Formats: sequence, C-alpha cells, structure tokens
Amino acid sequence: GESVGLHLPTLSVQEGDNSIINCAYSNSASDYFIWYKQESGKGPQFIIDIRSNMDKRQGQRVTVLLNKTVKHLSLQIAATQPGDSAVYFCAENNESNYQLIWGAGTKLIIKP
Amino acid sequence: GAVVSQHPSWVICKSGTSVKIECRSLDFQATTMFWYRQFPKQSLMLMATSNEGSKATYEQGVEKDKFLINHASLTLSTLTVTSAHPEDSSFYICSAPPAGPYEQYFGPGTRLTVT
Repeated sequence: GESVGLHLPTLSVQEGDNSIINCAYSNSASDYFIWYKQESGKGPQFIIDIRSNMDKRQGQRVTVLLNKTVKHLSLQIAATQPGDSAVYFCAENNESNYQLIWGAGTKLIIKP
Repeated sequence: GAVVSQHPSWVICKSGTSVKIECRSLDFQATTMFWYRQFPKQSLMLMATSNEGSKATYEQGVEKDKFLINHASLTLSTLTVTSAHPEDSSFYICSAPPAGPYEQYFGPGTRLTVT
C-alpha cells in the first residue's frame, strides 16, 4: 500500500455553508473509493463510499462525486456544522487488493 | 456496523522497553488486519498486513524484527514495538475488513510516547 506523507491542506468554511473537499486518486485500476473522517486523536471513521460504476452517491448531508476521466473524487458536505471539523481522507482500492491507497487529507475548519 | 477496538488507547514507555498493542474485531472475524502509523498532520502509512495463521507482510522500510505482529485468532492481532525509541512515538491504528476488500473499519488508535 501507498500513502502520502504531506502536511495537510486546510479548508475554512463558514458554519451553515456547504463544504467541498477534493481528492485526486492515483490508480486507474481502482474501483472503490472511500471518504473517511478523522477527528483529533481518533481513528478514521467511514463516511461514504462509491464504486467505479457510479458517478454520484448521496448520504445524509454528504455527497461523493467521482470523475474517472480525470481521476478526481470530491466530498460535498451540506450545511456544515461545528461537528464536521476534522481531517478528511480519501482512499482507493480494488477488488483484488485489500490495501487502501490514501490521499494526503484535508483539514476542515468551521468558522462560527 | 462493524466495530474494531484497540488497547491501550495511549501508552508511555521508557526507551529500550517493549510495548504491545492489541487490535480486536468485536463483532466479526477478520483473517486480515492492517497496522498503520500516523505522524502529526500526515496521512496514514501502512506498516504491515496481519494474516491470521501466517506471517505478516511488511511494507518496504518497516523492520519486521522491531515491529512484531501476531495474528493469533480471527479476532485479535497484536503489534509489539520492541526496544522502543523516541522516534517510534506515533499514533498507531489498526483496521479490519469485515467482508472482502471493501469497507475497512478502523480502531480508535493507540498513542505511543517513548521517553
């Protein structure tokens, strides 16, 4: 598995606004993509996933968009709340490989 | 949903001692578990894949004699950091997939501080 050890980019959003977090994935053979939320001092928490045969998937207040042409993944959070403050990671893998490939992560800060 | 636990949640040890971290799948069996370490403001770095009943597979650059992994049962994997040094201080996280390669669930992490 691979992971990227970079300093985290930060996204600041006003409470109540929508947040859009972007991720560029690396492996064109990946067919499964996941967004995780990690709060300080805790393990990653599953938010939403999407298979490569889909372009969009919606959950509660969250939407994931997949653009396979440019290998881009995004997470949209509607009506951002203080509890959404965390680091968000995208991850990818495929059916033949249990190992996740991790993105660098984005720190989401909610402004009151 | 599937639950993965880790113990301890944090540990402080002296340089030169060994520390064991446990990862348990509470409501499912896991033939495979993963161990990660995470430094501040960085992404997760896969250390090794723990396989029940066989040897762990280590990622390049990870010393197998220093980070001992034992996957003794379908619900328990342990990571032992031997002869710990301050540079081993990190956040260690395990994960397990309940079924197939998708939907990995993560433990809450263990904060190791070596003094």
